[in-house]
Amino acid sequence: DGGITQSPKYLFRKEGQNVTLSCEQNLNHDAMYWYRQDPGQGLRLIYYSQIVNDFQKGDIAEGYSVSREKKESFPLTVTSAQKNPTAFYLCASSPKGQARAEAFFGQGTRLTVV
Amino acid sequence: KQEVTQIPAALSVPEGENLVLNCSFTDSAIYNLQWFRQDPGKGLTSLLLIQSSQREQTSGRLNASLDKSSGRSTLYIAASQPGDSATYLCAANLYGGATNKLIFGTGTLLAVQP
Repeated sequence: DGGITQSPKYLFRKEGQNVTLSCEQNLNHDAMYWYRQDPGQGLRLIYYSQIVNDFQKGDIAEGYSVSREKKESFPLTVTSAQKNPTAFYLCASSPKGQARAEAFFGQGTRLTVV
Repeated sequence: KQEVTQIPAALSVPEGENLVLNCSFTDSAIYNLQWFRQDPGKGLTSLLLIQSSQREQTSGRLNASLDKSSGRSTLYIAASQPGDSATYLCAANLYGGATNKLIFGTGTLLAVQP
């Protein structure tokens, strides 16, 4: 089955810790994205990548980092610099260079600071 | 700056009713508009993608319309069922470079009462 897999489904972080959220896709899409969802707000773009070894900041990149070493994988690290990391994180992908293309989303990771 | 608004924020209807969800956007220079469904604690499922050159798109009991000139899109759900209960999100696609950039509304929470 083609799709986007996010893991883990639930993640707990202690104050001062870095944590990494996994996102893997087998859709052969070039572009991948990370969004953050908070109650009462729309999804906000954290980072996106159009091609391997390249990525750009989105609207709320502070306190986050990403890598894109493989086409299939786009992990997101929530660093200790992110002061309010508790949220629902969604990964998405779409074909590169196709503005009219559909975006597909994973099932999300809920991160909670304890 | 593109802003996407969804009204109402919540809607409750009895089973069998037809209903309309509204989405408005401030900048008409979009490539497409995508409607998603989100169940509690889950990721986003794409429902319909309507291109800027299209007026409407249909899938089963769902029909999406797009009026770029007025900055509006509607999602029509016919003969609603309890299984349609979910949050419905619309997202306007701004094309930046070679990557899609989705601007999301805050969603409409739909409850269909049996």
